Amino acid sequence: QVRLQESGPGIVKPAATLSLNCIISSDTVSNYYYWGWIRAPPGKGLEWIGTLYYSGETYYNATLKGRVTISRDTSDTQFSLRLTSMTAADTAIYFCARANFGDRGDVWFEVWSPGTLVTVSS
Amino acid sequence: SYVLAQPPSVSAAPGQTADITCGGDNIGTKIVQWYQRKPGQAPVLLIYFNSDRPSGIPGRFSGSNSGNTATLTISGVGAGDEADYYCQVWDRSSYQVLFGGGTRLTVL
Repeated sequence: QVRLQESGPGIVKPAATLSLNCIISSDTVSNYYYWGWIRAPPGKGLEWIGTLYYSGETYYNATLKGRVTISRDTSDTQFSLRLTSMTAADTAIYFCARANFGDRGDVWFEVWSPGTLVTVSS
Repeated sequence: SYVLAQPPSVSAAPGQTADITCGGDNIGTKIVQWYQRKPGQAPVLLIYFNSDRPSGIPGRFSGSNSGNTATLTISGVGAGDEADYYCQVWDRSSYQVLFGGGTRLTVL
């Protein structure tokens, strides 16, 4: 059974870059799925950050474009999130997830990590 | 850009049926997913492809999608169903994954 676990800092300074890894158990990034990052500010709703396709293509939330990069690790059992120029508005619980997809490109997130709180604070 | 509109809150008495709506322009032409998120937990996929349930999701949860409204129906509501519910679509015109703002279900 596939499991996902985030790893990374719980606190990031303003203007710094956040780097999070998603460690995959019982699956690999190059398997026939998509892999995504989603976040939820405390007390607020879900916000999609971006998706990495098994083919290597990436798609990002237009409101974050220019700040976000999602990439796969050479081990193929991790993928990462890099978010630059962090501000207080980026304080959120960050989830990684495995997504399945339909033949028209529709995406749904079927396996989620527990989530990790990232706080932007000096 | 495409917007998904959900009511902030819905309430239902135990044993009754709760309908949670997700509105969008011609959303009936899109594929809608639904997630449940309880406090302190990761979201759980309840419905995909408008009305399909992943294995392990009870039949009390069902989905429909037509016109400008998609609906998640929860039958026989119980205290364990109190949670936030989110709809989600893939907007292929912009290559964006979109979530609705979420609806909090309260069991009276």
